[in-house]
Amino acid sequence: EAAVTQSPRNKVAVTGGKVTLSCNQTNNHNNMYWYRQDTGHGLRLIHYSYGAGSTEKGDIPDGYKASRPSQENFSLILELATPSQTSVYFCASGEGYEQYFGPGTRLTVL
Amino acid sequence: GDSVTQKQGQVTLSEDDFLFINCTYSTTTYPTLLWYVQYPGQGPQLLLKVTTANNKGISRGFEATYDKGTTSFHLQKASVQESDSAVYFCALAPNSAGNKLTFGIGTRVLVRP
Repeated sequence: EAAVTQSPRNKVAVTGGKVTLSCNQTNNHNNMYWYRQDTGHGLRLIHYSYGAGSTEKGDIPDGYKASRPSQENFSLILELATPSQTSVYFCASGEGYEQYFGPGTRLTVL
Repeated sequence: GDSVTQKQGQVTLSEDDFLFINCTYSTTTYPTLLWYVQYPGQGPQLLLKVTTANNKGISRGFEATYDKGTTSFHLQKASVQESDSAVYFCALAPNSAGNKLTFGIGTRVLVRP
């Protein structure tokens, strides 16, 4: 049974619209992460969290917000989506160096 | 800050070929060095780790060796199969308890039957 799930799996949004990507984990990990994956850039960290109520900026946080309302849930929010945010987004949970990734969300901003 | 460099964007092999992917890193810490693998349609998953104490990690037929002199840790497998087709990422955790990973850009490995 999948321990990290993401929804939606695919999303098409319009420029200027609001997008919320959701992540749920059943690993009971304190730490959760949001990455984006782009060809030529690998995995880049957007935001992360050490536990419920905490969010921290990663390496590329501009244009993104995050919310961690509970141990299990971590959301990534694009208030004003832009075409440059077209990408595949991965959520992960983990303690230490081993992170468990979800299946990804493919976001297209037109 | 920490960085990792993978120069090979794509590698195409035939079954039973030898696989070698190099990765170099830069850090001021005593890192744990990692290889993650991403199969088609899935998220990445940890393949193996190498600490600066033990120099070598082995998992599922893959082996990674750490070279402090060249600050590199390459991944190799003696005989690849079609099922090894995937994207391989090297990554660095700043220490054994490190939570914030730095990933390389990934190497896409295609193994032809």
